[in-house]
Amino acid sequence: GQSLEQPSEVTAVEGAIVQINCTYQTSGFYGLSWYQQHDGGAPTFLSYNALDGLEETGRFSSFLSRSDSYGYLLLQELQMKDSASYFCAVRVPMDSNYQLIWGAGTKLIIKP
Amino acid sequence: NAGVTQTPKFQVLKTGQSMTLQCAQDMNHNSMYWYRQDPGMGLRLIYYSASEGTTDKGEVPNGYNVSRLNKREFSLRLESAAPSQTSVYFCAILGVGGAQETQYFGPGTRLLVL
Repeated sequence: GQSLEQPSEVTAVEGAIVQINCTYQTSGFYGLSWYQQHDGGAPTFLSYNALDGLEETGRFSSFLSRSDSYGYLLLQELQMKDSASYFCAVRVPMDSNYQLIWGAGTKLIIKP
Repeated sequence: NAGVTQTPKFQVLKTGQSMTLQCAQDMNHNSMYWYRQDPGMGLRLIYYSASEGTTDKGEVPNGYNVSRLNKREFSLRLESAAPSQTSVYFCAILGVGGAQETQYFGPGTRLLVL
């Protein structure tokens, strides 16, 4: 089967740094995506890693190690508005197309 | 959620009733997807359409049918709703060009089956 594992909940303090890990076991691999979802909202795209290494976009960075089937999302200078659920998703081949296999999500709780 | 709309936003059904969830996009993209999200879980793909006139099953297609009416619209139908289909349903489109790794989601339809 195909599976992704990420922590169910992470708590951090405003202004701090937090890392959300994701490990995966999939049939095929094109890349690892991260999405943010606020309560009652729809997922919104944050980042995508197809190659090993670190990608930085403002306060958010994402890392991938394909040999370890592992990635993480790093959030710096945490703000209260960053309180949300964060999902990793692996892009895998499906027929002549592809699909995303999603983790169960990590709820990020930020305390003042 | 700009560019992808879903109707209705909320729906309550009784077991055995049928309904169609509508999705429309104004971004002229080819690929469209239907997902369901159960509490505390990630998204699971129900059906997708790579282009107008084609549809394919995803991970959890049982109990659903879809229609890609034209390039803009992709509908999801529950012929005989069951309590297990209580969920939040999201429609999504795939980015193009440099954004091919990105999926853009509609606001979701919250469905309760009693």
